[in-house]
Amino acid sequence: DAGVIQSPRHEVTEMGQEVTLRCKPISGHNSLFWYRQTMMRGLELLIYFNNNVPIDDSGMPEDRFSAKMPNASFSTLKIQPSEPRDSAVYFCASTVGGANTGELFFGEGSRLTVL
Amino acid sequence: AQSVAQPEDQVNVAEGNPLTVKCTYSVSGNPYLFWYVQYPNRGLQFLLKYITGDNLVKGSYGFEAEFNKSQTSFHLKKPSALVSDSALYFCAVRDLNTGGFKTIFGAGTRLFVKA
Repeated sequence: DAGVIQSPRHEVTEMGQEVTLRCKPISGHNSLFWYRQTMMRGLELLIYFNNNVPIDDSGMPEDRFSAKMPNASFSTLKIQPSEPRDSAVYFCASTVGGANTGELFFGEGSRLTVL
Repeated sequence: AQSVAQPEDQVNVAEGNPLTVKCTYSVSGNPYLFWYVQYPNRGLQFLLKYITGDNLVKGSYGFEAEFNKSQTSFHLKKPSALVSDSALYFCAVRDLNTGGFKTIFGAGTRLFVKA
């Protein structure tokens, strides 16, 4: 299995630029999660989808953040415009939906640095 | 609201000695509890979970965890620590009040195993 695939692994950008992070979940997994990890705040759930539908986006910090899941094999997290405080590692994770006992499978993360 | 607490930022143990990483939880209803490990510059990896049944759960890499309902704890243990166990460990709870898909993570405990 290829696992959860995220791109890019590293992104350095300047304040005000648009950033798009991408995620391909494990085939057959129909729940997808976006987390953000920082030293100060730990792991924060930003948004999660079930069957491509956003279920809970209460963790999205502000309107500059948006996420989409146009099909079962692809999701994006967009930040526009980016700010230095958005610097973090962003993780995508997937699991088999329907049964809520399944563990999460994480990608390797996208490390974002906003200058 | 569901939550988990990891009271120790860091745990130090000598190689060959037993290790314990502590976790307490607060949930309404039956808890679904998980442990994950994160190595440097990597995504989180699932170690073990408690859903129901035997209070002692065995997982990957020789780790186990004991569910204690009266103490609302789910401590991670290993009889004999290895230097390679040095990593960041996260306890997590599944929030069943939101459809069962939302996973909330503790702040993490850094484990150092000294040779």
